Amino acid sequence: QKEVEQNSGPLSVPEGAIASLNCTYSDRGSQSFFWYRQYSGKSPELIMSIYSNGDKEDGRFTAQLNKASQYVSLLIRDSQPSDSATYLCAVNRDSSYKLIFGSGTRLLVRP
Amino acid sequence: DADVTQTPRNRITKTGKRIMLECSQTKGHDRMYWYRQDPGLGLRLIYYSFDVKDINKGEISDGYSVSRQAQAKFSLSLESAIPNQTALYFCATGSGVGDGETQYFGPGTRLLVL
Repeated sequence: QKEVEQNSGPLSVPEGAIASLNCTYSDRGSQSFFWYRQYSGKSPELIMSIYSNGDKEDGRFTAQLNKASQYVSLLIRDSQPSDSATYLCAVNRDSSYKLIFGSGTRLLVRP
Repeated sequence: DADVTQTPRNRITKTGKRIMLECSQTKGHDRMYWYRQDPGLGLRLIYYSFDVKDINKGEISDGYSVSRQAQAKFSLSLESAIPNQTALYFCATGSGVGDGETQYFGPGTRLLVL
């Protein structure tokens, strides 16, 4: 079992819809959770971080964390074609600064 | 100017050659990381350094070595390149505040080993 699992996709949504990206992790000691966006051929860039159970909103993005069920999700409202990218989930275990990355979900937003 | 730079951006080499990938940062972060990215496998950690005197192996360090020449510089070497080291390599710096570790990535080096 991978430590951080994501559906590889592609997840295809129409423009203006809500895109829902999911991530599960195996280590219950994980403390910090991150979503990175990566455009094709580019480097990952941080879009959201979440540390506590519940929702965290930032503009069109909402991260949701449920530690009991060991999943973290990212909702993108009013999806735009420019949101088309691969979204990487990353987890920071215990007191280590190391991040464990999932393999990413490719999102396609259709005009 | 970019905060994290990598050189070269693209490199083609032959099996058995020694090559070095360089990373420099102006963010002032102590922590630096080297990852490789392969299709379908995500980012995998090769080596990491929490300060100039601290070097640690990641999950896939075999065949690689690193040097932390200064706080701002972290180099990755392939002593004898092999074709399965063909990948996209990223350097990153880390800024830990409170609970979180935010990592900032360089633009990547695309390496092809023939």
